[in-house]
Amino acid sequence: GAVVSQHPSWVICKSGTSVKIECRSLDFQATTMFWYRQFPKQSLMLMATSNEGSKATYEQGVEKDKFLINHASLTLSTLTVTSAHPEDSSFYICSGQGSSGANVLTFGAGSRLTVL
Amino acid sequence: RKEVEQDPGPFNVPEGATVAFNCTYSNSASQSFFWYRQDCRKEPKLLMSVYSSGNEDGRFTAQLNRASQYISLLIRDSKLSDSATYLCVVSGGSNYKLTFGKGTLLTVNP
Repeated sequence: GAVVSQHPSWVICKSGTSVKIECRSLDFQATTMFWYRQFPKQSLMLMATSNEGSKATYEQGVEKDKFLINHASLTLSTLTVTSAHPEDSSFYICSGQGSSGANVLTFGAGSRLTVL
Repeated sequence: RKEVEQDPGPFNVPEGATVAFNCTYSNSASQSFFWYRQDCRKEPKLLMSVYSSGNEDGRFTAQLNRASQYISLLIRDSKLSDSATYLCVVSGGSNYKLTFGKGTLLTVNP
């Protein structure tokens, strides 16, 4: 089945640094990548939707200059948390959708970010 | 009203018990409905889609009532391995944006 490889699976960084999270679709072309964030005991919240080769669409309340999304190829999308702060500590998950537009998404394993 | 609202839980049940989860959604234009399972510190995994006619997959039965905007999941003969958080997920629109409920934690005890 479709697989999305996400890494790093966990990262600890100092406040003020930037962290990049990568998601690669291994056996399909992800024309659309969704990025979610999940705080402890909370639901997954969609942060942004990115389509290959175009700018990401951010959900209300998500700062596009802080959470930089790049989807330059059909198999790679990245999320960069710039100038991370402790409140950015969360579980970030990507999910890819192929060109067939299948309604079921393939999730990456998630990246747990802790900002000290 | 939240877009997708679930039983707050947590549910603690003995092995072999039957447990039901309920979910309501606010957007009447929603088109697709799912139950996902999420283990601690892991990504969500699709458990089953939910159809208007109701559908069953082994010990799991899902039902959808569009008129009431209500979705349910029934687990029969629960196993220890069923312990997880169950997420009600609703999708609508052309971009298949998924909206997740907060999830209901189930713990099945020996």
